[in-house]
Amino acid sequence: ETGVTQSPTHLIKTRGQQVTLRCSSQSGHNTVSWYQQALGQGPQFIFQYYREEENGRGNFPPRFSGLQFPNYSSELNVNALELDDSALYLCASSWGRGTGRIYEQYFGPGTRLTVT
Amino acid sequence: KQEVTQIPAALSVPEGENLVLNCSFTDSAIYNLQWFRQDPGKGLTSLLLIQSSQREQTSGRLNASLDKSSGRSTLYIAASQPGDSATYLCAVTTDSWGKFQFGAGTQVVVTP
Repeated sequence: ETGVTQSPTHLIKTRGQQVTLRCSSQSGHNTVSWYQQALGQGPQFIFQYYREEENGRGNFPPRFSGLQFPNYSSELNVNALELDDSALYLCASSWGRGTGRIYEQYFGPGTRLTVT
Repeated sequence: KQEVTQIPAALSVPEGENLVLNCSFTDSAIYNLQWFRQDPGKGLTSLLLIQSSQREQTSGRLNASLDKSSGRSTLYIAASQPGDSATYLCAVTTDSWGKFQFGAGTQVVVTP
């Protein structure tokens, strides 16, 4: 079974641009969560997708948006990039039940985004 | 609003010494608590998960305790090794969907 993968590994963008980050969940997992980790801080929850629907969102502006595809892979899109968006973006996948329970989450290696 | 604090922020110990890492949280209504390890620039590796009904979990040299009523968890690493050098993060969830609230981490250096 393959683990959680993320692409690209590193990315440099200019302020005002748009970026798309990708996450392939572990085989059999239907839930993906995205986190932003600024340097020296713990990860902050951005949003979660369960079976292609958004299932909760953290305190991030609407320019942070996401998608989950039928194969349960996911994208994180950020519009109008700001310098403070520079961070490590992590995704985590798990298997969730419709009754509202997920099992252990597995994190990907992250995408390092630098905004200049 | 749940807040998670980890003390100390950094720790340096000689090889062989036991490590004690602390995590506190403000809202005791947690679903579970999890400890992670993060190597520089890398993703997170799960170490131990403690469900809210449990008081401790053990795996090899690692032991984590949970005291919900006082809002505290402690991670013990016995007989530290240089390979234990990393940042250790604790995270809590308040529902079964696993939306983590993380602390800022404790950066550990184990010197040979």
